Amino acid sequence: NAGVTQTPKFRVLKTGQSMTLLCAQDMNHEYMYWYRQDPGMGLRLIHYSVGEGTTAKGEVPDGYNVSRLKKQNFLLGLESAAPSQTSVYFCASRQLAGASYNEQFFGPGTRLTVL
Amino acid sequence: GENVEQHPSTLSVQEGDSAVIKCTYSDSASNYFPWYKQELGKRPQLIIDIRSNVGEKKDQRIAVTLNKTAKHFSLHITETQPEDSAVYFCAASIGPGGGADGLTFGKGTHLIIQP
Repeated sequence: NAGVTQTPKFRVLKTGQSMTLLCAQDMNHEYMYWYRQDPGMGLRLIHYSVGEGTTAKGEVPDGYNVSRLKKQNFLLGLESAAPSQTSVYFCASRQLAGASYNEQFFGPGTRLTVL
Repeated sequence: GENVEQHPSTLSVQEGDSAVIKCTYSDSASNYFPWYKQELGKRPQLIIDIRSNVGEKKDQRIAVTLNKTAKHFSLHITETQPEDSAVYFCAASIGPGGGADGLTFGKGTHLIIQP
């Protein structure tokens, strides 16, 4: 099992450009999340999904959109990138039920720089 | 929404000594409290977690205590070793069925183990 994977690992954008970050998990998890991590800020929740076809806003959703068309994939989109979106983005997933249903498994991260 | 405060931001201890990191949370509905370890450039990894129906949990050199009345929880690492050097994050979650999903993280503690 690959667990949670993220594509790409690194990306540099110019202000105003758009891009999509891909998160994929092969653990058949129902829940998926996108977080951003900035220096000294910890991780903050952007959007999350509790199942295929459903999404919801987290703590810092402005400037981002998400889609969950397939259970195993969760896409994070930036329509018009801004320097304030320079960050490391982590995807995570967890199962719906079971003994360790609370545990979130994180992907390796995507380092995004917006110039 | 939930707010998690974490202290200290930096902690330096001698190898073999104990380390304690403390967190407080604001939402009494939170019922799941994980601790993550993050090494430089890597993804956060769960090291221990506790649910609100338990006051203490141990796993070898690591323990977590929870005081629901005071809304605080702590991570204890005994007999610290050089490989314990990392950034540690506490987090809180309402958990499934409680409305908003996802983890609210503290800002992290940089633990330095001095040889």
